[in-house]
Amino acid sequence: DIQMTQSPSSLSASVGDRVTITCRASQGIRNDLNWYQQRPGKAPKRLIYGASSLQSEVPSRFSGSGSGTEFTLTISSLQPEDFATYYCLQHNSYPRTFGQGTKVEVK
Amino acid sequence: DVQVLQSGGGLEQPGGSLRLSCTVSGLTFSHVGMTWARQAPGMGLDWVSGISSGDPGSCTYADSVKGRFTVSRDNSKNTLYLEMNSLRVEDTAVYYCVVGDNPSGYWGQGTLVTVSA
Repeated sequence: DIQMTQSPSSLSASVGDRVTITCRASQGIRNDLNWYQQRPGKAPKRLIYGASSLQSEVPSRFSGSGSGTEFTLTISSLQPEDFATYYCLQHNSYPRTFGQGTKVEVK
Repeated sequence: DVQVLQSGGGLEQPGGSLRLSCTVSGLTFSHVGMTWARQAPGMGLDWVSGISSGDPGSCTYADSVKGRFTVSRDNSKNTLYLEMNSLRVEDTAVYYCVVGDNPSGYWGQGTLVTVSA
């Protein structure tokens, strides 16, 4: 099984900050990676697919990069509605695997 | 607009069974794979099962549910099912139905399954 190691597990940031979250795959997954945002009590929302393609209607302050084993989600200027938990997911092979999540909190 | 509506779930004793349903509208259901994911209270997301498009579709499972859970689809009803048998306390979670075997942006609202004596 492919393991997804996500870091950090949590971070504290302020509105306007640049935030970077990383996922590392235990083996190469090409660009078969999605990023999701989850707010408390809500279903996850896909932000990025194919490692770097922005889901429609997602603000352009979100971006994804990487290929192979190293991937990054960047929020260029954190907004109040961005305080949430973020997950990566690999869909290169079965079983699909999520990262452990990164909780973005208010500093 | 694509809509994903889940039903089923609830409270069950260890060893018992439950069935979850997921009805999709706004797309050609038979043409898409589907995914079940879950989230235990206060924990992260876990992939549970996937089924390919077509009829009946090929299925895959997480090791934690293999042999106990069965995913199926009824394309005539645009509905996905998850039959859960031999339930364990550790199966307690919110279960999500997701369009795509590459989980897409279309998620159901989630349904809570609680396994407790």
